[in-house]
Amino acid sequence: DVKVTQSSRYLVKRTGEKVFLECVQDMDHENMFWYRQDPGLGLRLIYFSYDVKMKEKGDIPEGYSVSREKKERFSLILESASTNQTSMYLCASSLVQGAGSDTQYFGPGTRLTVL
Amino acid sequence: GDSVTQMEGPVTLSEEAFLTINCTYTATGYPSLFWYVQYPGEGLQLLLKATKADDKGSNKGFEATYRKETTSFHLEKGSVQVSDSAVYFCALTTNTNAGKSTFGDGTTLTVKP
Repeated sequence: DVKVTQSSRYLVKRTGEKVFLECVQDMDHENMFWYRQDPGLGLRLIYFSYDVKMKEKGDIPEGYSVSREKKERFSLILESASTNQTSMYLCASSLVQGAGSDTQYFGPGTRLTVL
Repeated sequence: GDSVTQMEGPVTLSEEAFLTINCTYTATGYPSLFWYVQYPGEGLQLLLKATKADDKGSNKGFEATYRKETTSFHLEKGSVQVSDSAVYFCALTTNTNAGKSTFGDGTTLTVKP
């Protein structure tokens, strides 16, 4: 079974802190994704990576950056956390770029609270 | 661009009731269609999928048929259980969208004993 793990289930940070959310997948997937999930807004794509060191902005990249130095690891960085970044963050991965039938495999999520 | 429209929730049913959650889509390419489920406190997981018109995906008693003529992929289950209480997301990917998926807003299902 594909396993996607996220570094923390719950995280509490202060406004202005730099925050790192880590995601690791164990199935050699090319694609990795970061989403945030908020009540009434569904899933919104923050960033997408289709290969090591390659990234693409999603729908809401402002205030976030990402890093993918190794194929299995995709990090989301909040350069200066703000209260409006309080949310559930979900990482996902999928196998083949552009195949059109790729299933996404999700981690358990990190619930981030910014005070 | 691509979009997915799901039946608004929340949906509350009694155990053993019939479930339908509607999903319609628009897509610029030829889509594959998915239903994901999110149980409380967890990430999403694939429930079922269909990759071409008239295909039926099925899993755990849930079914959905890819209807190209009506651009729909409605989720059904004949007899729901309390353990089916979750949030259900309809989604699509296309061969023109570089592996990204478009998700519906999710429908919350609560099944009461």
